[in-house]
Amino acid sequence: EDQVTQSPEALRLQEGESSSLNCSYTVSGLRGLFWYRQDPGKGPEFLFTLYSAGEEKEKERLKATLTKKESFLHITAPKPEDSATYLCAVKRNNNDMRFGAGTRLTVKP
Amino acid sequence: DTGVSQNPRHKITKRGQNVTFRCDPISEHNRLYWYRQTLGQGPEFLTYFQNEAQLEKSRLLSDRFSAERPKGSFSTLEIQRTEQGDSAMYLCASSPDLRDYGYTFGSGTRLTVV
Repeated sequence: EDQVTQSPEALRLQEGESSSLNCSYTVSGLRGLFWYRQDPGKGPEFLFTLYSAGEEKEKERLKATLTKKESFLHITAPKPEDSATYLCAVKRNNNDMRFGAGTRLTVKP
Repeated sequence: DTGVSQNPRHKITKRGQNVTFRCDPISEHNRLYWYRQTLGQGPEFLTYFQNEAQLEKSRLLSDRFSAERPKGSFSTLEIQRTEQGDSAMYLCASSPDLRDYGYTFGSGTRLTVV
């Protein structure tokens, strides 16, 4: 069965302390891997799409990478405003995007 | 365009009552999705529209749930005979018909069944 597993569930960092979030997946016919950011009480906000192993995308302090079995979201020198839940999702066909449970990131000043 | 709009933001209802939520997608987007999210979990797919056609429904969607998208514009999600297990955040998202696009989500409707 297709699965998306994110780790760790929660991560606390000091401001400036770089780290990585993991998304491992098993899916037949991957059509894209997506990263979203979700703030409390709001809907997810789209960050990146990755399609093939070796692909990388960057946005400010965030960089997403993809292998055949997992994706990483690297956060370089995070700031308190980066605190949020980061969701990974895989698209299996045109209609169905399956989400992981997310990693709750807290960045302390 | 102000993005995806969902109403109401919060709904408290008694068990057994019917509720209806509305979603107004981004006007140029022809795809519309409904998801449900419970605390500590990622969004869970419920159903999908391409224009006015409902093309897919999750097996998790019971017969008490129905969704419409008349004329391919706004959409409504109705839950009949609500149960406490229906308490969740109901999220609507839209996207254009392009592969690269992630979904644009609304802020959701939080349903509490008491």
